[in-house]
Amino acid sequence: NAGVMQNPRHLVRRRGQEARLRCSPMKGHSHVYWYRQLPEEGLKFMVYLQKENIIDESGMPKERFSAEFPKEGPSILRIQQVVRGDSAAYFCASSPGTGGNEQYFGPGTRLTVT
Amino acid sequence: AQSVSQHNHHVILSEAASLELGCNYSYGGTVNLFWYVQYPGQHLQLLLKYFSGDPLVKGIKGFEAEFIKSKFSFNLRKPSVQWSDTAEYFCAGTTIGGNNRLAFGKGNQVVVIP
Repeated sequence: NAGVMQNPRHLVRRRGQEARLRCSPMKGHSHVYWYRQLPEEGLKFMVYLQKENIIDESGMPKERFSAEFPKEGPSILRIQQVVRGDSAAYFCASSPGTGGNEQYFGPGTRLTVT
Repeated sequence: AQSVSQHNHHVILSEAASLELGCNYSYGGTVNLFWYVQYPGQHLQLLLKYFSGDPLVKGIKGFEAEFIKSKFSFNLRKPSVQWSDTAEYFCAGTTIGGNNRLAFGKGNQVVVIP
């Protein structure tokens, strides 16, 4: 059973460009979570999605950031017009449901904005 | 507000020494608590979890953690570390009915010297 897959593993973007980060959950998991890890910080919750629905986006910046989890295909975290402060590691996790189910994490995408 | 705090961000110790990492949480209701480990270049892996029942939880690789409700703590311990335990350790928590989103501490960078 393959784990959570994320790609790309490393992404370099110039200021003003768009970044698209992909996450394929574990087989059988329909819940996806995105977290961001800034240098010297722990992971911060960004958004929680189920198939075709955003359940909780309270951790998402109000502008430039969006997320989706379509019926078919991976979950996408999209950052428009990136700035240097967006440089971070972005982790995706999946779980089979809520109710305290543990989350399984992907390897992360390290975004560098130059 | 839900929060998790970890102290002593950098820990250096010799092989065979004992390890204890502190974790304190701030939640209003029933909590689920986790310790994750991130080995260099790898993704987060679950070490152990506490949902309910016996407050002393055994995890993988000889780790254990004790949930002490009166102290709002969930400290991680290992009696004798090995060089391969060099990693970053994260405490995380979530509340029942809170969309399962995890709040992470800032992590402990542990270096074990052979």
